[in-house]
Amino acid sequence: GDSVTQMEGPVTLSEEAFLTINCTYTATGYPSLFWYVQYPGEGLQLLLKATKADDKGSNKGFEATYRKETTSFHLEKGSVQVSDSAVYFCALSQIQGAQKLVFGQGTRLTINP
Amino acid sequence: ETGVTQTPRHLVMGMTNKKSLKCEQHLGHNAMYWYKQSAKKPLELMFVYNFKEQTENNSVPSRFSPECPNSSHLFLHLHTLQPEDSALYLCASSQGVVNTEAFFGQGTRLTVV
Repeated sequence: GDSVTQMEGPVTLSEEAFLTINCTYTATGYPSLFWYVQYPGEGLQLLLKATKADDKGSNKGFEATYRKETTSFHLEKGSVQVSDSAVYFCALSQIQGAQKLVFGQGTRLTINP
Repeated sequence: ETGVTQTPRHLVMGMTNKKSLKCEQHLGHNAMYWYKQSAKKPLELMFVYNFKEQTENNSVPSRFSPECPNSSHLFLHLHTLQPEDSALYLCASSQGVVNTEAFFGQGTRLTVV
């Protein structure tokens, strides 16, 4: 079945460091890909998305490019802030009867001042 | 405000109790989901409803019983739960189309004692 694999966390960085969180997926057909973020005590919020190969999603300084050849959707940010501390989830969306969303295990990110 | 509201936010129940979780969305979405989020585990899809019809039951034990009376409301009825069922239960909704994102509620933190 479809699956999403993220790099193991937790990830701890200093403020202004470069961030990469790796995400790879296994899916039939042409899924859409998403990154969600979860702040403490909250539900998940959409961070960015890409709906076809070579699309780049971006938001709040974060970027991810849909790479079909490597089945990847890595999240990057050039200069992280303390406020970026959260759990990040990579996800894919497929239609199997109804829309089905499959999530990775999440990566906890902590940014130190 | 994400447009998806879950109640209660916190629930403590005994193993012999019966309780219900409620989810409501006013986004005009057709699909609604229940997810279970446990510590150190991936986000687990439990149930999917599309146009009020259940389209996915991800091998969930029968002590969890979903109900979707209309496209705006989703319930999760709980009875004779086990301590390992303690988790954050997240509701989400979407348009049900592959390239659209899901909107999440803030979750119900369930503790089974």
